[in-house]
Amino acid sequence: RKEVEQDPGPFNVPEGATVAFNCTYSNSASQSFFWYRQDCRKEPKLLMSVYSSGNEDGRFTAQLNRASQYISLLIRDSKLSDSATYLCVVNNQAGTALIFGKGTTLSVSS
Amino acid sequence: GAVVSQHPSWVICKSGTSVKIECRSLDFQATTMFWYRQFPKQSLMLMATSNEGSKATYEQGVEKDKFLINHASLTLSTLTVTSAHPEDSSFYICSARDYWTSGGETQYFGPGTRLLVL
Repeated sequence: RKEVEQDPGPFNVPEGATVAFNCTYSNSASQSFFWYRQDCRKEPKLLMSVYSSGNEDGRFTAQLNRASQYISLLIRDSKLSDSATYLCVVNNQAGTALIFGKGTTLSVSS
Repeated sequence: GAVVSQHPSWVICKSGTSVKIECRSLDFQATTMFWYRQFPKQSLMLMATSNEGSKATYEQGVEKDKFLINHASLTLSTLTVTSAHPEDSSFYICSARDYWTSGGETQYFGPGTRLLVL
């Protein structure tokens, strides 16, 4: 099983749609969880950290289920500017580095 | 937010050339920096962890003699790709770990360096 698995997509949605991304991770000892966004040919940028109780930042909501080792990201009211690849990221067993999923590509069209 | 710079942003070189990439944390001190590589349509793969004042820790399968890392100061880490070959062509990204006063941390990424070896 890969350390971090994501549905690669692409997800093609119209503006205003709600879209959800899922991610599973293999290391039950992971303590830190993040969603990063990567635009084409650019570096990843932190979108939001994911907390056990779930957290929301504007149109973005992240959820964590430690029992299932599952992380989700919900984007409401999609904008054209949301088009990017979304990377699910967890820390490694030692807590010393980040492990990246391959990313899920989102394309929002007008 | 914290800023991490990388230089150069693009390198095109002949096979056999050594290429040096710099990674700098611009407004915070980073005792730990990370070097990643990303091939097209692939995830970021951690190559090595760079620790200020000590030897880098390499991930399995990464040749330490080919990818030389030097973290000589709290704001600078360098990656040297020695005797580069076409298969080393990739997007190299560094990140720097920033610790929060609240006890948390995050990593900020540099803009990346695209290496093309002919």
